[in-house]
Amino acid sequence: KAGVTQTPRYLIKTRGQQVTLSCSPISGHRSVSWYQQTPGQGLQFLFEYFSETQRNKGNFPGRFSGRQFSNSRSEMNVSTLELGDSALYLCASRVQGGSEKLFFGSGTQLSVL
Amino acid sequence: DQQVKQNSPSLSVQEGRISILNCDYTNSMFDYFLWYKKYPAEGPTFLISISSIKDKNEDGRFTVFLNKSAKHLSLHIVPSQPGDSAVYFCAASLDSNYQLIWGAGTKLIIKP
Repeated sequence: KAGVTQTPRYLIKTRGQQVTLSCSPISGHRSVSWYQQTPGQGLQFLFEYFSETQRNKGNFPGRFSGRQFSNSRSEMNVSTLELGDSALYLCASRVQGGSEKLFFGSGTQLSVL
Repeated sequence: DQQVKQNSPSLSVQEGRISILNCDYTNSMFDYFLWYKKYPAEGPTFLISISSIKDKNEDGRFTVFLNKSAKHLSLHIVPSQPGDSAVYFCAASLDSNYQLIWGAGTKLIIKP
């Protein structure tokens, strides 16, 4: 069974631009979560989608948005990029939610110049 | 306010000895705890978990201990191996809430 796939692997953008990241969950997994990882800050939860609906949201500004499609694939969009948005963005999937363990992709490394 | 804290950013241990990674939490309502391991340029992978109804869970070289009164959990790795060098994250959740709360991670370095 294929794992969680995130594209692109690396991305370089400039301030003010917008970016879209993609995540394909493990087949059969209906929950997709997005995290931001910066050095020393651990994993900061962005949002979780389940069956095309946002189920949970972290404390990030409205510039960060996401969506989930009927095939459970998910996209994350960041508009008006700031230097501080440079981070590793991780996507994770699980079957439904609750206490199930998450399966992570390898992440998209975003650099904002 | 960090609800899950890993106070040691890094830890260095001799190969073959015991590695002990610590995690403290503030919310007594957390009822499920997980440890993840992360290598550079890869996503975290699940290592071991424990429910609040237990105080110990073991899986091979890895054991997690939970002390609810102290709001503290620890991960023991015995014996430590070079492949254990990675960043370890602890996470906690409320069963009624699907969100995991993560610590900042501890970088474990196993010295040969």
